[in-house]
Amino acid sequence: SQQGEEDPQALSIQEGENATMNCSYKTSINNLQWYRQNSGRGLVHLILIRSNEREKHSGRLRVTLDTSKKSSSLLITASRAADTASYFCATQQSWGKLQFGAGTQVVVTP
Amino acid sequence: EAQVTQNPRYLITVTGKKLTVTCSQNMNHEYMSWYRQDPGLGLRQIYYSMNVEVTDKGDVPEGYKVSRKEKRNFPLILESPSPNQTSLYFCASSSNGQKANYGYTFGSGTRLTVV
Repeated sequence: SQQGEEDPQALSIQEGENATMNCSYKTSINNLQWYRQNSGRGLVHLILIRSNEREKHSGRLRVTLDTSKKSSSLLITASRAADTASYFCATQQSWGKLQFGAGTQVVVTP
Repeated sequence: EAQVTQNPRYLITVTGKKLTVTCSQNMNHEYMSWYRQDPGLGLRQIYYSMNVEVTDKGDVPEGYKVSRKEKRNFPLILESPSPNQTSLYFCASSSNGQKANYGYTFGSGTRLTVV
């Protein structure tokens, strides 16, 4: 069963704009992770936020976590055509299992 | 280069013909896992391994087997493949899965078609 659900399912923006996607989950977690997948390729780990953290930054990425609402958001600032990909959130319980949502497909047009 | 290597990248096979997809990592990771990815369903975990000789079922284990005889290798075995196992498969590894605070490294994927 899926633990995380991303919203929206698809997002189309222009270069330079910000892209925001959300993830909701059902049970308590140890951490939440975001991954990027270019078409048909392997997933690349972007950022991990622990359950006791509220916000984290990495380059143009900003992740927030609200454990009271069981939700997270990923913000990509000043998007580029190379950011075109699918983005997945994944939740990890304390015993290590990582569960993924269905993903948000992001298209950035020049 | 630190990586997870899967082979083959593409495979077309017939129903019932046993096959093995290999997975190897060179990062000395304890935790390894297999996922399948299907359109609209995201990634679903098939099996995972916390360490050598320790494996457990994920969410969709039916029709699959795994083994973990060495730390670096985690092959996925389909004893009698069926068309509903046509999918994109990913192997992943992570350091110290029991502490559960590390990102996963994924392989490039194996696209399997069962006819």
